[in-house]
Amino acid sequence: AQKITQTQPGMFVQEKEAVTLDCTYDTSDQSYGLFWYKQPSSGEMIFLIYQGSYDEQNATEGRYSLNFQKARKSANLVISASQLGDSAMYFCAMRETTKGGGGNKLTFGTGTQLKVEL
Amino acid sequence: DTGVSQNPRHKITKRGQNVTFRCDPISEHNRLYWYRQTLGQGPEFLTYFQNEAQLEKSRLLSDRFSAERPKGSFSTLEIQRTEQGDSAMYLCASSFSGQETQYFGPGTRLLVL
Repeated sequence: AQKITQTQPGMFVQEKEAVTLDCTYDTSDQSYGLFWYKQPSSGEMIFLIYQGSYDEQNATEGRYSLNFQKARKSANLVISASQLGDSAMYFCAMRETTKGGGGNKLTFGTGTQLKVEL
Repeated sequence: DTGVSQNPRHKITKRGQNVTFRCDPISEHNRLYWYRQTLGQGPEFLTYFQNEAQLEKSRLLSDRFSAERPKGSFSTLEIQRTEQGDSAMYLCASSFSGQETQYFGPGTRLLVL
């Protein structure tokens, strides 16, 4: 079974600084994908970034980058130039193929609450 | 706005009552997922549809839960004889075949008294 571990329940960062949110994973699959989602207090899960296991380059999306270290089974999220609006819960997730139809169900970690301070 | 929508956003009910939630996915998305999120946890997979076919159900989906997607567009999730342990956020997500990313709706927060 797949497992996602996020060991930081909460993190603080100063505005305009960079922050790294940790994520480690466990899977026996050779092909897999890793996601980061942001969940503000309103509840909606907002997609941030995706990394495929065969992607040679680390994924980047604007201020977000994913530090993918396959041998260490880690997929840390780096947010550069933090903004007050980045304060939210952040979830790491891994896709697993469903039993039927080739869908991709997600397994999530327990999340990291990020607070950006002035 | 052409994102995933869910209704209602909030639902308070008494134990033993039935509730139904609706999800409208992004219009061209043929895959639809339901997840449940309890306080302090990440979302957990409940069930998956490709078009109108329900292709996988989690063991979390007890007999009191039923989901449909009758015309391959919107989906409903019904909980019969609600229990206090059903209190959670119910999230719907959609995607298109061949694309990895699931896009989530705002969720329905259920409170069972």
